[in-house]
Amino acid sequence: EIVLTQSPGTLSLSPGERATLSCRASQSITYSFLAWYQQKPGQAPRLLIYGISRRATGIPDRFSGSGSETEFTLTISRLEPEDSAVYYCQQYGSSPRAFGGGTKVEIK
Amino acid sequence: EVQLLESGGGLVQPGGSLRLSCTASGFTFSSSAMSWVRQASARQASGKGLEWVSGISGSGGSTYYADSVRGRFTISRDNTKNTLHLELNSLTADDTAVYYCAKEDDFWSGHVDYWGQGTLVTVSS
Repeated sequence: EIVLTQSPGTLSLSPGERATLSCRASQSITYSFLAWYQQKPGQAPRLLIYGISRRATGIPDRFSGSGSETEFTLTISRLEPEDSAVYYCQQYGSSPRAFGGGTKVEIK
Repeated sequence: EVQLLESGGGLVQPGGSLRLSCTASGFTFSSSAMSWVRQASARQASGKGLEWVSGISGSGGSTYYADSVRGRFTISRDNTKNTLHLELNSLTADDTAVYYCAKEDDFWSGHVDYWGQGTLVTVSS
């Protein structure tokens, strides 16, 4: 069973700053099956990134994903106020398709 | 437009059962694996983290479960009615959560490209 650990728990930054979110897997993730989701209060999650680095339809290019094997990163290059949310990584290469614990991004 | 509409949530006593359903439209249902994902909170989603609960392949021939629900929950699908189900048995307070229906981007297993709005299950006496 793959366990995903996200850090930091909370990130507090100003608009225009760069946010770097980490997701570490307990084992190597197969076939690059790593995704990132954004969730705002009271809403369902939304797909941002899949296959480690592929942006989903309609996602601004300030969101980017990178990494390999067990270390993955979601970068938001220039924070906008609407980016305030919780971000989750998920591996979908093996069962159970675990989610990380989430990183909360707060905009000052 | 892809739509996923969950139903069947509600208040149930510990040890009780419930059946959740998800009606899908806007895509070829039988071509997509589906999952249930839950988020623990008695009051508001996004208060706790996401927990993958169960998944099923496009044909329904392969099913997968989280250890926390294996043996108590059963996932199934009816491709003639574009409907996904989750049977919940032997419920405990730890099962209280918003349950999301999720469409995957592949027949066997994929990232979730569409989510329903969720249905709340509350286990309490």
